[in-house]
Amino acid sequence: EPEVTQTPSHQVTQMGQEVILRCVPISNHLYFYWYRQILGQKVEFLVSFYNNEISEKSEIFDDQFSVERPDGSNFTLKIRSTKLEDSAMYFCASSEGSGGGETQYFGPGTRLLVL
Amino acid sequence: GESVGLHLPTLSVQEGDNSIINCAYSNSASDYFIWYKQESGKGPQFIIDIRSNMDKRQGQRVTVLLNKTVKHLSLQIAATQPGDSAVYFCAESQYGNKLVFGAGTILRVKS
Repeated sequence: EPEVTQTPSHQVTQMGQEVILRCVPISNHLYFYWYRQILGQKVEFLVSFYNNEISEKSEIFDDQFSVERPDGSNFTLKIRSTKLEDSAMYFCASSEGSGGGETQYFGPGTRLLVL
Repeated sequence: GESVGLHLPTLSVQEGDNSIINCAYSNSASDYFIWYKQESGKGPQFIIDIRSNMDKRQGQRVTVLLNKTVKHLSLQIAATQPGDSAVYFCAESQYGNKLVFGAGTILRVKS
């Protein structure tokens, strides 16, 4: 069964450093998403991406964040200068379509720890 | 005082019993609803979804009920098994884009 994959599974970084989280969405999916989950809290939407551009972003997704689809398979989230409060699980998701009812499938997540 | 995290409601059920997990959603304009299961250290796993033009949908051992009048969603799990133990999240969406997740409910299945 096709699944979303993410690398790395864990990332430890120093405050102020840049990190890139990688995702390989399900191959025939056209919509891509990043969510995060701070320990013990609910899953929060960060950004959605379609047709090589951001379609929606949350207030969390400030100028320190960026997304890219560098090739036909990868989807990346970059945090330019990490802060302590960026420590969280980051989930990538993808869906075949949108517009009401297209299931988003989630990857296993990357646990980011900023020291 | 400062909150250090959500205190999730917990539902404890005996193996073999039926479970009902409830969720109140916030946006009356939401038109798509979905239940996810999250096991420790893993990503949300799709269970079942329902569109706003329906009030009930059944899957294998699971049923989702939608009451738009009171903005309430429930997940029923029949014959609950130890492998069903996890945190269950409801999520809502408007026009199928971003998902807004609820706080989650811990389901503990006792053998």
